[in-house]
Amino acid sequence: DIRMTQSPASLSASLGETVNIECLASEDIYSDLAWYQQKPGKSPQLLIYNANSLQNGVPSRFSGSGSGTQYSLKINSLQSEDVATYFCQQYNNYDTFGAGTKLELK
Amino acid sequence: EVQLVESGGGLVQPGRSLKLSCAASGFTFSDYNMAWVRQAPKKGLEWVATIIYDGSRTYYRDSVKGRFTISRDNAKSTLYLQMDSLRSEDTATYYCATQVRGYFDYWGQGVMVTVSS
Repeated sequence: DIRMTQSPASLSASLGETVNIECLASEDIYSDLAWYQQKPGKSPQLLIYNANSLQNGVPSRFSGSGSGTQYSLKINSLQSEDVATYFCQQYNNYDTFGAGTKLELK
Repeated sequence: EVQLVESGGGLVQPGRSLKLSCAASGFTFSDYNMAWVRQAPKKGLEWVATIIYDGSRTYYRDSVKGRFTISRDNAKSTLYLQMDSLRSEDTATYYCATQVRGYFDYWGQGVMVTVSS
């Protein structure tokens, strides 16, 4: 099974700040990587797929990058509505998720 | 607008069965692969099972193989998850989701399943 190691587990940032979340795969996943946002009490929402493609309707302050085993999600100019838990998911070989990053406002 | 509405959850004793349903609307259900993803309380996401658009193939995580069965009725635009021999570790919110290219495009609101005596 492919393991996804996500970091940090939690993050505190100020409004307007830039935030980076990382995901490391246990083997090459060839950019088969998605990012999700889950707000408290809600279902997850797709943000990014294929490592760097923005899902329709997602604000452009969200971006994804990476290749091979290393991937990242970047949030520019943090807004209050971005407070959530973020998960990465590999779909190269079945599907596994990272443990999540809880993003809070400082 | 894509809508996925899960139902059928509840409290069940260990070893018993439960069947979840997911009613789909707002898209051509028979064109989409569908999946169940679960989330234990205060925990992360875990893929459970996937069924191909025409029902011809199914895939399961190892921990549910032989106990859970994913199925679909394209005429009714409905996805199912039959869960047998339930264990306490199956306690979670279960989400149905579309899964066309590996990632999960759209998610339902989720349904809670609690396995406890």
